[in-house]
Amino acid sequence: EAGVAQSPRYKIIEKRQSVAFWCNPISGHATLYWYQQILGQGPKLLIQFQNNGVVDDSQLPKDRFSAERLKGVDSTLKIQPAKLEDSAVYLCASSLDLGRPSGANVLTFGAGSRLTVL
Amino acid sequence: AQSVAQPEDQVNVAEGNPLTVKCTYSVSGNPYLFWYVQYPNRGLQFLLKYITGDNLVKGSYGFEAEFNKSQTSFHLKKPSALVSDSALYFCAVSGSGTYKYIFGTGTRLKVLA
Repeated sequence: EAGVAQSPRYKIIEKRQSVAFWCNPISGHATLYWYQQILGQGPKLLIQFQNNGVVDDSQLPKDRFSAERLKGVDSTLKIQPAKLEDSAVYLCASSLDLGRPSGANVLTFGAGSRLTVL
Repeated sequence: AQSVAQPEDQVNVAEGNPLTVKCTYSVSGNPYLFWYVQYPNRGLQFLLKYITGDNLVKGSYGFEAEFNKSQTSFHLKKPSALVSDSALYFCAVSGSGTYKYIFGTGTRLKVLA
């Protein structure tokens, strides 16, 4: 089966510019996650979708970050305006929900999008 | 509060020797525990998980992990390390009734030939 696709793989922008990342999950996976991984740290969950709906966005900096999931499939994560501290790898993951308990789902990750903010 | 700790930034082991990568956790309710591995310039890959049942779980590439409820630990182990096991390893925890994954800071495993 095809994996989780992300683009672009690399992006360099100046602070205060905007950037968008795209993710296409594995076909049939209802849940989609965006994580931010700063160098030397573990992935931090930014937002989680189940189909079209947002189930958790408690750590998403909503003043500058936004995300949407179109028709319950593809997703876009946008940053506007970018700050230096947004330099990180943005990981998209998806999971096939097998019913309760939902916390037991295994995540499949994409290769990530590396953002450098100058 | 839900949390996971990986106390070692790096673990060095000689090829052929056993390896252990440590993980401790804190979560309300029953824990769901996971190990993921990250190779350079690649996304995280699932290794194994503990949901319920036998405390010793086996996963991909000969790895296994032992769930210890009293010590709130879920250490990753392998009887004989390979150079190709060198990578970044992440422990993650979720909990019954929740879907939110919390990842540890990662442990870099270096297997020396």
